[in-house]
Amino acid sequence: AQKITQTQPGMFVQEKEAVTLDCTYDTSDPSYGLFWYKQPSSGEMIFLIYQGSYDQQNATEGRYSLNFQKARKSANLVISASQLGDSAMYFCAMREGGGSTLGRLYFGRGTQLTVWP
Amino acid sequence: EPEVTQTPSHQVTQMGQEVILRCVPISNHLYFYWYRQILGQKVEFLVSFYNNEISEKSEIFDDQFSVERPDGSNFTLKIRSTKLEDSAMYFCASSEARANYGYTFGSGTRLTVV
Repeated sequence: AQKITQTQPGMFVQEKEAVTLDCTYDTSDPSYGLFWYKQPSSGEMIFLIYQGSYDQQNATEGRYSLNFQKARKSANLVISASQLGDSAMYFCAMREGGGSTLGRLYFGRGTQLTVWP
Repeated sequence: EPEVTQTPSHQVTQMGQEVILRCVPISNHLYFYWYRQILGQKVEFLVSFYNNEISEKSEIFDDQFSVERPDGSNFTLKIRSTKLEDSAMYFCASSEARANYGYTFGSGTRLTVV
């Protein structure tokens, strides 16, 4: 079974509108972390936001927020007030386990976001 | 802002040749990783490295791959005898020992095996 599922290969949003990118995950470990990364066409991976499995509140970082629904095992990324520079591939990722050992990240297949004027 | 530096940015090599991909992680980070991304596909974990030894490796990381931290700053990935299917973007990443810290990725090395 896939650890991370991103069902939207592509999304389109108009500038200044909000957009939600979907992510569901699968783990039996009670301790895990969820990440979102942005990959522009230049190729680098840019960390956006993190949500821990025990965090009570949804994570926010500027225009990015994570809609964490633990019972549904979903961790959707919400980008508010989209900008042209937000056009990129977005990856959801998960790390299982907690504590001081930082294990591998499992990535989804990504969602290509296009912001149009 | 501190960054992970990878060199070279692009490398073309002939099938069967050895390549070494280099990375300089962020100086106070303790965990180091290599990932790869075949064109158009998802990012895949290769190996993690902590306390001067491999802590985890994936099924992709077979005997043709090796990692080394030869000094206090560099972290290298060696592919002994490259195959066409090794063509990919290779990312180095590093992290502090904090669970809520995002792994910092380098800009990647695009490896093309011909």
